[in-house]
Amino acid sequence: DARVTQTPRHKVTEMGQEVTMRCQPILGHNTVFWYRQTMMQGLELLAYFRNRAPLDDSGMPKDRFSAEMPDATLATLKIQPSEPRDSAVYFCASGFFPQGYEQYFGPGTRLTVT
Amino acid sequence: GENVEQHPSTLSVQEGDSAVIKCTYSDSASNYFPWYKQELGKGPQLIIDIRSNVGEKKDQRIAVTLNKTAKHFSLHITETQPEDSAVYFCAASIGLELSFGAGTTVTVRA
Repeated sequence: DARVTQTPRHKVTEMGQEVTMRCQPILGHNTVFWYRQTMMQGLELLAYFRNRAPLDDSGMPKDRFSAEMPDATLATLKIQPSEPRDSAVYFCASGFFPQGYEQYFGPGTRLTVT
Repeated sequence: GENVEQHPSTLSVQEGDSAVIKCTYSDSASNYFPWYKQELGKGPQLIIDIRSNVGEKKDQRIAVTLNKTAKHFSLHITETQPEDSAVYFCAASIGLELSFGAGTTVTVRA
């Protein structure tokens, strides 16, 4: 069945290292979202793309985070340099707008920065 | 931006009883209200949603109600089962941007 996939599922890295997270949206979906989940802040929207074009990234720390969509089947979220406060679970979600409002989430990447 | 508040933060119910989770939102322009279920180690799963032109929607044991005037919406789970134990999130959006509530941890006691 159609699902959003994310890799890696877990990542442990040292402060200062670059981290790249990947997402494959559901085939045919035209909108991709990146969220971050922490105990303190809950689920936060970081950025989203529609038809591969960035629509909004106001939720993302610009100095160290970057999000791209090289093609319709791949979205990436990079953190460089990583910091301990970036430790969280990062989710990708996809949808097909404007025909539907639904967003379908992937399993997430659990990032730990030491 | 939109602010969504969710209550209660934890809910324990006896198997077979009903569970109700309530959310309020701040922006009257919000027009889409989904509910997600998140199990440990998994991503949020969309379980039901409602749009602002509908007052109630039901899917088997799950129902959602929306009161636009009061700006609140609720999730009702009837005949709860152990597999309903999870964290439930409400959300509200204007267009594409979802704002989430803080979540409700539901425990169904056997």
